Amino acid sequence: SQTIHQWPATLVQPVGSPLSLECTVEGTSNPNLYWYRQAAGRGLQLLFYSVGIGQISSEVPQNLSASRPQDRQFILSSKKLLLSDSGFYLCAWSHSDKNIQYFGAGTRLSVL
Amino acid sequence: QKEVEQDPGPLSVPEGAIVSLNCTYSNSAFQYFMWYRQYSRKGPELLMYTYSSGNKEDGRFTAQVDKSSKYISLFIRDSQPSDSATYLCAMMGAGTALIFGKGTTLSVSS
Repeated sequence: SQTIHQWPATLVQPVGSPLSLECTVEGTSNPNLYWYRQAAGRGLQLLFYSVGIGQISSEVPQNLSASRPQDRQFILSSKKLLLSDSGFYLCAWSHSDKNIQYFGAGTRLSVL
Repeated sequence: QKEVEQDPGPLSVPEGAIVSLNCTYSNSAFQYFMWYRQYSRKGPELLMYTYSSGNKEDGRFTAQVDKSSKYISLFIRDSQPSDSATYLCAMMGAGTALIFGKGTTLSVSS
Protein backbone atom coordinates (compact mmCIF):
# COMPACT_ATOMS: atom_id res chain seq x y z
CA SER A 1 0.00 0.00 0.00
CA GLN A 2 1.02 3.61 -0.49
CA THR A 3 2.14 5.88 2.32
CA ILE A 4 3.12 9.52 2.45
CA HIS A 5 5.58 10.94 4.94
CA GLN A 6 5.90 14.60 5.77
CA TRP A 7 8.24 16.22 8.25
CA PRO A 8 8.74 17.94 10.55
CA ALA A 9 5.32 17.98 12.23
CA THR A 10 5.91 21.39 13.77
CA LEU A 11 8.48 24.07 13.11
CA VAL A 12 9.17 27.44 14.67
CA GLN A 13 11.44 29.69 12.62
CA PRO A 14 12.55 33.34 12.92
CA VAL A 15 11.68 35.85 10.22
CA GLY A 16 14.35 35.88 7.51
CA SER A 17 15.50 32.31 8.08
CA PRO A 18 15.43 29.63 5.35
CA LEU A 19 12.88 26.83 5.14
CA SER A 20 12.96 23.28 3.89
CA LEU A 21 9.99 20.94 4.25
CA GLU A 22 10.23 17.45 2.87
CA CYS A 23 7.64 14.98 1.65
CA THR A 24 8.16 11.44 0.40
CA VAL A 25 5.77 8.86 -0.98
CA GLU A 26 6.23 5.09 -0.77
CA GLY A 27 4.58 2.25 -2.64
CA THR A 28 3.91 3.93 -5.98
CA SER A 29 5.81 5.21 -8.99
CA ASN A 30 5.54 8.49 -10.89
CA PRO A 31 2.95 10.05 -8.59
CA ASN A 32 1.64 13.56 -9.00
CA LEU A 33 2.73 15.58 -5.96
CA TYR A 34 1.18 18.68 -4.40
CA TRP A 35 1.95 21.30 -1.75
CA TYR A 36 -0.96 23.11 -0.07
CA ARG A 37 -1.23 25.72 2.63
CA GLN A 38 -4.23 25.70 4.91
CA ALA A 39 -5.16 28.85 6.82
CA ALA A 40 -8.02 29.03 9.30
CA GLY A 41 -11.26 29.97 7.55
CA ARG A 42 -9.60 30.11 4.15
CA GLY A 43 -9.53 26.50 3.08
CA LEU A 44 -6.81 24.71 1.17
CA GLN A 45 -4.66 26.80 -1.13
CA LEU A 46 -2.71 24.90 -3.79
CA LEU A 47 0.85 26.22 -3.88
CA PHE A 48 2.71 23.86 -6.24
CA TYR A 49 2.18 20.64 -8.08
CA SER A 50 4.47 18.31 -9.98
CA VAL A 51 3.81 15.62 -12.57
CA GLY A 52 7.41 14.40 -12.74
CA ILE A 53 11.03 14.90 -11.68
CA GLY A 54 12.07 18.51 -12.17
CA GLN A 55 8.59 19.54 -13.35
CA ILE A 56 7.03 22.12 -11.04
CA SER A 57 3.95 24.26 -11.61
CA SER A 58 3.34 27.23 -9.35
CA GLU A 59 -0.21 28.24 -8.62
CA VAL A 60 0.42 31.29 -6.47
CA PRO A 61 3.47 33.57 -6.82
CA GLN A 62 5.00 34.09 -3.40
CA ASN A 63 8.00 33.71 -1.19
CA LEU A 64 8.15 29.92 -1.59
CA SER A 65 9.58 27.50 -4.13
CA ALA A 66 9.32 23.76 -4.68
CA SER A 67 11.60 21.11 -6.09
CA ARG A 68 11.28 17.46 -7.02
CA PRO A 69 14.79 15.96 -7.05
CA GLN A 70 13.56 12.35 -7.07
CA ASP A 71 10.42 10.61 -8.31
CA ARG A 72 8.83 10.31 -4.89
CA GLN A 73 10.35 13.31 -3.11
CA PHE A 74 8.90 16.80 -3.01
CA ILE A 75 10.50 19.71 -1.17
CA LEU A 76 9.07 23.09 -0.23
CA SER A 77 11.63 25.83 0.36
CA SER A 78 12.10 29.46 1.13
CA LYS A 79 15.29 31.54 1.24
CA LYS A 80 13.86 34.08 3.71
CA LEU A 81 10.69 33.44 5.67
CA LEU A 82 8.09 36.15 6.22
CA LEU A 83 5.58 36.38 9.05
CA SER A 84 2.85 35.72 6.49
CA ASP A 85 4.38 32.32 5.69
CA SER A 86 3.03 30.93 8.96
CA GLY A 87 0.43 28.23 8.44
CA PHE A 88 -0.30 24.56 8.09
CA TYR A 89 1.48 23.03 5.09
CA LEU A 90 0.20 19.84 3.55
CA CYS A 91 1.78 17.54 1.00
CA ALA A 92 -0.44 15.29 -1.10
CA TRP A 93 -0.03 12.71 -3.86
CA SER A 94 -2.23 11.17 -6.52
CA HIS A 95 -1.80 8.54 -9.19
CA SER A 96 -0.69 10.08 -12.46
CA ASP A 97 -3.95 9.10 -14.18
CA LYS A 98 -6.42 9.91 -11.41
CA ASN A 99 -6.65 13.11 -9.40
CA ILE A 100 -7.83 11.59 -6.11
CA GLN A 101 -5.42 13.12 -3.66
CA TYR A 102 -4.07 11.61 -0.45
CA PHE A 103 -2.59 13.86 2.18
CA GLY A 104 0.31 13.72 4.59
CA ALA A 105 0.02 14.62 8.26
CA GLY A 106 1.05 18.24 7.68
CA THR A 107 3.63 20.65 9.07
CA ARG A 108 2.58 23.48 11.32
CA LEU A 109 4.96 26.38 10.65
CA SER A 110 5.18 29.37 12.94
CA VAL A 111 7.31 32.28 11.80
CA LEU A 112 8.15 34.63 14.66
CA GLN B 1 -20.13 33.13 -7.19
CA LYS B 2 -17.49 30.88 -5.68
CA GLU B 3 -16.89 27.55 -7.39
CA VAL B 4 -17.59 25.53 -4.24
CA GLU B 5 -19.59 26.73 -1.26
CA GLN B 6 -19.66 24.94 2.09
CA ASP B 7 -21.21 26.17 5.32
CA PRO B 8 -18.39 26.36 7.89
CA GLY B 9 -20.67 25.58 10.85
CA PRO B 10 -19.92 24.74 13.56
CA LEU B 11 -22.50 22.00 13.64
CA SER B 12 -23.20 20.46 17.05
CA VAL B 13 -25.25 17.28 17.43
CA PRO B 14 -25.82 14.68 20.18
CA GLU B 15 -24.42 11.19 19.85
CA GLY B 16 -26.60 8.96 17.70
CA ALA B 17 -27.97 11.79 15.55
CA ILE B 18 -28.05 11.73 11.76
CA VAL B 19 -25.75 14.40 10.35
CA SER B 20 -26.13 16.04 6.96
CA LEU B 21 -23.20 17.95 5.48
CA ASN B 22 -23.58 19.77 2.17
CA CYS B 23 -21.78 21.61 -0.60
CA THR B 24 -23.01 23.50 -3.62
CA TYR B 25 -21.00 24.21 -6.73
CA SER B 26 -21.28 26.26 -9.86
CA ASN B 27 -19.17 24.42 -12.46
CA SER B 28 -21.34 21.96 -14.38
CA ALA B 29 -18.17 20.25 -15.68
CA PHE B 30 -17.44 18.73 -12.26
CA GLN B 31 -17.78 14.95 -12.42
CA TYR B 32 -15.73 13.61 -9.50
CA PHE B 33 -16.79 14.34 -5.93
CA MET B 34 -14.95 13.59 -2.72
CA TRP B 35 -15.38 14.01 1.00
CA TYR B 36 -12.41 14.32 3.33
CA ARG B 37 -12.37 14.20 7.12
CA GLN B 38 -9.77 16.27 8.96
CA TYR B 39 -9.10 15.95 12.65
CA SER B 40 -7.56 18.89 14.46
CA ARG B 41 -3.91 19.40 13.55
CA LYS B 42 -3.93 16.44 11.15
CA GLY B 43 -3.97 16.07 7.37
CA PRO B 44 -7.27 15.45 5.51
CA GLU B 45 -8.24 11.80 5.13
CA LEU B 46 -10.26 10.62 2.12
CA LEU B 47 -13.66 9.33 3.26
CA MET B 48 -15.76 8.92 0.14
CA TYR B 49 -15.33 9.24 -3.61
CA THR B 50 -18.16 9.28 -6.15
CA TYR B 51 -18.31 9.74 -9.87
CA SER B 52 -21.21 11.61 -11.48
CA SER B 53 -24.65 11.46 -9.87
CA GLY B 54 -26.11 9.01 -7.39
CA ASN B 55 -25.47 7.60 -3.95
CA LYS B 56 -22.60 5.67 -2.44
CA GLU B 57 -22.70 4.03 0.96
CA ASP B 58 -19.82 2.94 3.19
CA GLY B 59 -20.81 1.81 6.66
CA ARG B 60 -22.41 4.75 8.49
CA PHE B 61 -21.51 7.18 5.70
CA THR B 62 -23.55 7.94 2.57
CA ALA B 63 -22.43 10.32 -0.16
CA GLN B 64 -25.06 11.75 -2.47
CA VAL B 65 -24.58 13.76 -5.67
CA ASP B 66 -27.34 15.70 -7.43
CA LYS B 67 -25.74 17.15 -10.55
CA SER B 68 -28.98 18.75 -11.72
CA SER B 69 -29.02 20.89 -8.58
CA LYS B 70 -25.21 21.11 -8.32
CA TYR B 71 -25.48 19.88 -4.75
CA ILE B 72 -23.62 17.15 -2.88
CA SER B 73 -24.23 15.74 0.58
CA LEU B 74 -22.57 13.51 3.13
CA PHE B 75 -24.84 11.76 5.63
CA ILE B 76 -23.49 10.23 8.83
CA ARG B 77 -25.80 7.81 10.62
CA ASP B 78 -25.55 7.02 14.34
CA SER B 79 -22.97 9.76 14.81
CA GLN B 80 -20.21 9.14 17.36
CA PRO B 81 -17.95 11.52 19.31
CA SER B 82 -15.10 10.17 17.17
CA ASP B 83 -16.84 11.73 14.14
CA SER B 84 -16.05 15.18 15.55
CA ALA B 85 -13.83 16.74 12.88
CA THR B 86 -13.87 19.14 9.96
CA TYR B 87 -15.37 17.71 6.77
CA LEU B 88 -14.14 19.02 3.43
CA CYS B 89 -15.88 18.48 0.14
CA ALA B 90 -13.79 18.44 -3.03
CA MET B 91 -14.62 18.13 -6.69
CA MET B 92 -13.18 18.27 -10.18
CA GLY B 93 -13.88 17.78 -13.85
CA ALA B 94 -11.91 15.77 -16.36
CA GLY B 95 -8.42 17.28 -16.50
CA THR B 96 -9.18 20.08 -14.06
CA ALA B 97 -7.71 20.92 -10.69
CA LEU B 98 -9.28 19.58 -7.51
CA ILE B 99 -11.34 22.32 -5.86
CA PHE B 100 -11.99 22.16 -2.11
CA GLY B 101 -14.73 23.63 0.02
CA LYS B 102 -13.59 25.45 3.15
CA GLY B 103 -14.89 22.71 5.43
CA THR B 104 -17.68 22.23 7.98
CA THR B 105 -16.72 21.70 11.60
CA LEU B 106 -18.78 18.98 13.30
CA SER B 107 -18.98 18.33 17.03
CA VAL B 108 -20.74 15.20 18.34
CA SER B 109 -21.39 15.25 22.06
CA SER B 110 -21.76 12.13 24.19
